[in-house]
Amino acid sequence: AQTVTQSQPEMSVQEAETVTLSCTYDTSESDYYLFWYKQPPSRQMILVIRQEAYKQQNATENRFSVNFQKAAKSFSLKISDSQLGDAAMYFCAYRSAKTGTASKLTFGTGTRLQVTL
Amino acid sequence: DGGITQSPKYLFRKEGQNVTLSCEQNLNHDAMYWYRQDPGQGLRLIYYSQIVNDFQKGDIAEGYSVSREKKESFPLTVTSAQKNPTAFYLCASSIPQFHGKLFFGSGTQLSVL
Repeated sequence: AQTVTQSQPEMSVQEAETVTLSCTYDTSESDYYLFWYKQPPSRQMILVIRQEAYKQQNATENRFSVNFQKAAKSFSLKISDSQLGDAAMYFCAYRSAKTGTASKLTFGTGTRLQVTL
Repeated sequence: DGGITQSPKYLFRKEGQNVTLSCEQNLNHDAMYWYRQDPGQGLRLIYYSQIVNDFQKGDIAEGYSVSREKKESFPLTVTSAQKNPTAFYLCASSIPQFHGKLFFGSGTQLSVL
């Protein structure tokens, strides 16, 4: 079974600064997808960014980018120019490519990000 | 607006009681999911359904039941067999083209009286 580990329960960043959230995962598969989801105080989960394991290029979405290290099974999220609205819980998640059409995700335990003035 | 609607927002269960959480979507998505979220833990999959009248157990299905009689609806029943039901429950949907992109509802907080 796959596991996802987020070793930073809480992180803090000053507004306009850059922060990196860590995620490692364990799998024996070679084809899979990785995700970062954001859960703001409203508690409704939102997809931030997605990475396909077969792609070497790191995914980027505006101020959000990832550092995908397949051999090390590491998938960190970098948030640049942090904004107050970035304050949330961030979950790393894994999806096997073998699950067919079902998007069954395995989630990490989350990192709470605080953004200070 | 298209989306997923969960109700109620807060729900209280008495000992020995079954309760049902509602999840409705108007996104025309085939697949729907129920996740449970506990403090300090990630989301864990309870049940999922890829098509009407079909559903599969997730990692923590014991004490829960679901039905999928309509594409739009995927209610979750927390039975009296679930001894620790206090948690935040999230419903989600997806389409195959967006591998792993889940569209989530706003959740239901279930507590035991």
